[in-house]
Amino acid sequence: DAGVTQSPTHLIKTRGQQVTLRCSPKSGHDTVCWYQQALGQGPQFIFQYYEEEERQRGNFPDRFSGHQFPNYSSELNVNALLLGDSALYLCASSSGEEQPQHFGDGTRLSIL
Amino acid sequence: RKEVEQDPGPFNVPEGATVAFNCTYSNSASQSFFWYRQDCRKEPKLLMSVYSSGNEDGRFTAQLNRASQYISLLIRDSKLSDSATYLCVVNRPGGSYIPTFGRGTSLIVHP
Repeated sequence: DAGVTQSPTHLIKTRGQQVTLRCSPKSGHDTVCWYQQALGQGPQFIFQYYEEEERQRGNFPDRFSGHQFPNYSSELNVNALLLGDSALYLCASSSGEEQPQHFGDGTRLSIL
Repeated sequence: RKEVEQDPGPFNVPEGATVAFNCTYSNSASQSFFWYRQDCRKEPKLLMSVYSSGNEDGRFTAQLNRASQYISLLIRDSKLSDSATYLCVVNRPGGSYIPTFGRGTSLIVHP
């Protein structure tokens, strides 16, 4: 039973570029959340997807967008990258909005 | 006031010690609560859910105090392998529920 998988593992980009991160939820899960985690901080909620729609959004600018596909997998897109976007991006899935989440290994994004 | 607050520590304890962490939350309408463990450069992993009546899983005990708006995690007989960052998560209302993490409490268990 595969858990949450994310790709790529690491990514290096330059300022102004765009990036797409991918996530496949744990089998049986239909809700996906994306988080940004800076060093020494807890994960910060970016948004939540359910039934292919963005259901909740945290305090992130419109440069951060996402998508959920019919198979529940999800993408996180970030445009016009800034140095401050360097972080670990985590995807978590659950079987409902109040259920415990299971996290992927994360994508470590570095902006030069 | 932050929505979810934790003492970042580090808590430095010897093996066998009992250690407790608290996590306070600001929104009284918050519902489900969880503790996660995160090892260095790894993803968070669910440690336990927190129920209103309190719950125990081996050496770990979690409690919820709605009146004072905090949750706690007690670790008994600490092991070296318990060294990690412990994150509390509060699902606060916002349309549907928004999982809100604390910044984590660092625990170091030494021989």
